[in-house]
Amino acid sequence: ETGVTQSPTHLIKTRGQQVTLRCSSQSGHNTVSWYQQALGQGPQFIFQYYREEENGRGNFPPRFSGLQFPNYSSELNVNALELDDSALYLCASSLGGEETQYFGPGTRLLVL
Amino acid sequence: DAKTTQPTSMDCAEGRAANLPCNHSTISGNEYVYWYRQIHSQGPQYIIHGLKNNETNEMASLIITEDRKSSTLILPHATLRDTAVYYCIVPYSGAGSYQLTFGKGTKLSVIP
Repeated sequence: ETGVTQSPTHLIKTRGQQVTLRCSSQSGHNTVSWYQQALGQGPQFIFQYYREEENGRGNFPPRFSGLQFPNYSSELNVNALELDDSALYLCASSLGGEETQYFGPGTRLLVL
Repeated sequence: DAKTTQPTSMDCAEGRAANLPCNHSTISGNEYVYWYRQIHSQGPQYIIHGLKNNETNEMASLIITEDRKSSTLILPHATLRDTAVYYCIVPYSGAGSYQLTFGKGTKLSVIP
């Protein structure tokens, strides 16, 4: 059974740029959730995708957007990067209708 | 959504049992209690969850009080590798999605 994978592991961008982060869900899972974790804080829910549709969103602006593909992998896109977007971005997969989410290792984004 | 309260930090001697408490006094009858942990700079790791009965798996035991207003995660024989931040979570269910709301958790330090 393959776990959740994320790419890249680290990324450096400058303010105003755009970034795409990728996530492959655990085998058999059809739901992907994204979280942002600032330094010293707990992860904060960004949004969730179920069967290629957004299925819940946290308190994040529209410049945070996502996609889910037919194979249930997912992308997180962030436009017009701000310094405060520097964080660890976590992807978690689950089976729709179940609460248990399994996390990937995260992508650490630094915005300069 | 039910809020949880945990101590900020705890110490435990290596080889002893670590007992991590959590209060969730506003939990409703059909909401589960979940525990995750996060070792420094890694993605959160699922540990265990329960509804009303005590649960045990290869990682830990979960004791839930009869009124369900609090629970205790027990690591029976703590090792140095158990040093991590432990999160007690009651997932929020809204519009068909389950969102994990992470607080600050309990930083457990296992001491040699």
